[in-house]
Amino acid sequence: RKEVEQDPGPFNVPEGATVAFNCTYSNSASQSFFWYRQDCRKEPKLLMSVYSSGNEDGRFTAQLNRASQYISLLIRDSKLSDSATYLCVGVTGTASKLTFGTGTRLQVTL
Amino acid sequence: NAGVTQTPKFQVLKTGQSMTLQCAQDMNHNSMYWYRQDPGMGLRLIYYSASEGTTDKGEVPNGYNVSRLNKREFSLRLESAAPSQTSVYFCASSESGDYTEQFFGPGTRLTVL
Repeated sequence: RKEVEQDPGPFNVPEGATVAFNCTYSNSASQSFFWYRQDCRKEPKLLMSVYSSGNEDGRFTAQLNRASQYISLLIRDSKLSDSATYLCVGVTGTASKLTFGTGTRLQVTL
Repeated sequence: NAGVTQTPKFQVLKTGQSMTLQCAQDMNHNSMYWYRQDPGMGLRLIYYSASEGTTDKGEVPNGYNVSRLNKREFSLRLESAAPSQTSVYFCASSESGDYTEQFFGPGTRLTVL
């Protein structure tokens, strides 16, 4: 079983829709989590950190459920520019050793 | 402020050839990392350097060597390239080792024939 698992998608949603992704993790020692965004053929870029119960930044909300070992990302009022792959990342131990999920692809359409 | 830079952007090698991927960061970060990204596998850590003068193996170190040349630069060397090393390689850096954001370079697309 992969340490961080995501539904690969793609999630196809119309502009203005609300979409949610889930990510499950198996290592209960994971201290914190990130959501990274990766555009096609580009490098990953940090979208949000998820340190405790959750985090909100504009249209984006990330939540952490330690009991069930999952992290979610909610995107409200989707824009065409939100089309990308969203990577769920777990952080375990020191030296910032990140464990990446394989990503969930989002396609926002007119 | 260029962030993390990588050279080259693209490279094609023949099996058995060697090459070095270069990475530099101008953010005065202590920690640096090398990842490879393959379809369906996610990013996997090859080697990392928690601070200048130290390097450690990651998840997939076989076939690679690294050098932390100074605080800014962290290179990845393939001594004898194999087709299984065809991948996109990303370098990243972070301020410190503990739970801090990593910043990624633009990547190197390597094909080994």
